[in-house]
Amino acid sequence: AQTVTQSQPEMSVQEAETVTLSCTYDTSESDYYLFWYKQPPSRQMILVIRQEAYKQQNATENRFSVNFQKAAKSFSLKISDSQLGDAAMYFCAYREYYGGSQGNLIFGKGTKLSVKP
Amino acid sequence: DVKVTQSSRYLVKRTGEKVFLECVQDMDHENMFWYRQDPGLGLRLIYFSYDVKMKEKGDIPEGYSVSREKKERFSLILESASTNQTSMYLCASSLGGRLYEQFFGPGTRLTVL
Repeated sequence: AQTVTQSQPEMSVQEAETVTLSCTYDTSESDYYLFWYKQPPSRQMILVIRQEAYKQQNATENRFSVNFQKAAKSFSLKISDSQLGDAAMYFCAYREYYGGSQGNLIFGKGTKLSVKP
Repeated sequence: DVKVTQSSRYLVKRTGEKVFLECVQDMDHENMFWYRQDPGLGLRLIYFSYDVKMKEKGDIPEGYSVSREKKERFSLILESASTNQTSMYLCASSLGGRLYEQFFGPGTRLTVL
């Protein structure tokens, strides 16, 4: 069964600095999707960025980028120029490309990011 | 704008009560999901539905059931609430297919006394 591991329960970053959140996963599949979701305190979870495993280029969304290392099964999230609004719980998630499930996500346990002014 | 709403933000129930958590989406999405979120455990899938009246068990379906009579509404039912079901419950929806992102509701924090 696929698993997703986030080894950093909590992290802290100074405003305007860069921080990297780690995520590793275990799968025997060659095609799949990976996601980072953000859950601000008392607010709804939203998608930050997604990566399709068959694409070699790392995804980027404004200040958010990923470092996707398929062979190492690693999918880290880099946040540049951190802002106070980036403070949240971040979840890494995996989804099969094939299979009977209809878009089921497998989540890591989350990393709580604090941003210091 | 995409919207997933849940009937309550906070709910307090007593052990043994039947509890209904409602989720409504206005995006005409085929797929709907119920997750449970606990500190240190992340999100765990309880049930999902990919069509009206269709449902499939997720990773932790024990003690829960679901109902989807209309496309926009997906209900989670605790037949007899227990204290170990105290948790945050998140509903999500998505278009059919694996590429599409899931949109989440605000969550219901359920306390069972």
